[in-house]
Amino acid sequence: SAVISQKPSRDICQRGTSLTIQCQVDSQVTMMFWYRQQPGQSLTLIATANQGSEATYESGFVIDKFPISRPNLTFSTLTVSNMSPEDSSIYLCSVDEMVLDEQFFGPGTRLTVL
Amino acid sequence: GENVEQHPSTLSVQEGDSAVIKCTYSDSASNYFPWYKQELGKGPQLIIDIRSNVGEKKDQRIAVTLNKTAKHFSLHITETQPEDSAVYFCAASRGSGGSNYKLTFGKGTLLTVNP
Repeated sequence: SAVISQKPSRDICQRGTSLTIQCQVDSQVTMMFWYRQQPGQSLTLIATANQGSEATYESGFVIDKFPISRPNLTFSTLTVSNMSPEDSSIYLCSVDEMVLDEQFFGPGTRLTVL
Repeated sequence: GENVEQHPSTLSVQEGDSAVIKCTYSDSASNYFPWYKQELGKGPQLIIDIRSNVGEKKDQRIAVTLNKTAKHFSLHITETQPEDSAVYFCAASRGSGGSNYKLTFGKGTLLTVNP
């Protein structure tokens, strides 16, 4: 299966600031996704990161708050902008591996906003 | 959109017993049903999945069953061990192709295996 890394693994940030999370995959993948997991909760899809075009956002998530880049088939970034304590969550990158047609997750970025 | 319900929310078993977690889904077009295990401080790990062309799939101590008519699927863990303790998530999607890759998750089951 694809090996996925995320940076940073955790961070503590002040409200009003922004944080960019990086996701790197060890092989080329077609589909990359960003999820949010609030404390003790399930996973909610934020957006699909499309290579070479704008990300596709789910209901309740907007580009101004969560800008996403995907410059190539192995890398994507998610920025959490103008953070508030409600943004404290685990942010997870996932990829759909073409051969196995299965979705794998990175280790997550644990964000705390004070 | 798809809605996935998962039960129970917590499950406590004795080591060696079996554990069963059940999920129902609403979208009849869903045809891919993965299960993920999430240990504390880690990302979800895919442990088994099933597609709508089969009714049951096994991998050592874990198995998944699917009933498309009733729109429910279940995870079965036999001979549970303390290292099986984790949060388990079921999910559903329409499968391959574009936005069909999107997974909708259940709320999770905290499984505790007592030694």
